[in-house]
Amino acid sequence: DIQMTQSPSSLSASVGDRVTITCRASQSIGSYLNWYQQIPGKAPKLLIYSASSLQGGVPSRFSGSGSGTDFTLTISSLQPEDFATYYCQESYRAPYTFGQGTKLAIK
Amino acid sequence: QVHLVESGGGLVKPGGSLRLSCAASGFTFSDYYMSWIRQAPGKGLEWVSYISTSGNTIYYADSVKGRFTISRDNAKNSLYLQMSSLRAEDTAVYYCARVFAVVRRPDYFDYWGQGTLVTVSS
Repeated sequence: DIQMTQSPSSLSASVGDRVTITCRASQSIGSYLNWYQQIPGKAPKLLIYSASSLQGGVPSRFSGSGSGTDFTLTISSLQPEDFATYYCQESYRAPYTFGQGTKLAIK
Repeated sequence: QVHLVESGGGLVKPGGSLRLSCAASGFTFSDYYMSWIRQAPGKGLEWVSYISTSGNTIYYADSVKGRFTISRDNAKNSLYLQMSSLRAEDTAVYYCARVFAVVRRPDYFDYWGQGTLVTVSS
């Protein structure tokens, strides 16, 4: 199975900050990498698919990049509603592994 | 708009069985692959299974293979997960999700239900 490792596991930031979360795959997955946001008590929400494509309705402050084994999710200017847990997920092949999550908290 | 509503969760004893359902609306259900994904309390996300549009192609995570069965009824716009031989480690919120597939290849989960909690405990 492909292993997905996110870093950091948690971070604190302030409204207006620029934040970057990284995701590393244990083998090359091309651009088969997706990002989800989960607010506590809610279902995950798709943010970015195919490494860099913004899902419809998602604010443009979210962006994704990378290919192969190394990927990043960037939030250009944090808003209060962005404090949540973020997961990467590979869609290269089953079992479509998720990263362990990055919890973004208010500083 | 797309709406997915899971039901059927609850408390079950180890070794027991449970059937989850997911009612879909707002899109042509028969055109989409569907999937189950779970999240243990306080933990991350774990993909469980997916099923193709016709039900001919099915995949399971190793952790549930041989114990869980995914199925769908396109006439009823419904997805199911039959769970048997349940273990404490199956305790989780179970989400159904619509799968965006490209050329019959699952890619990403673009819509999720609100989840249903399954608790396996004596």
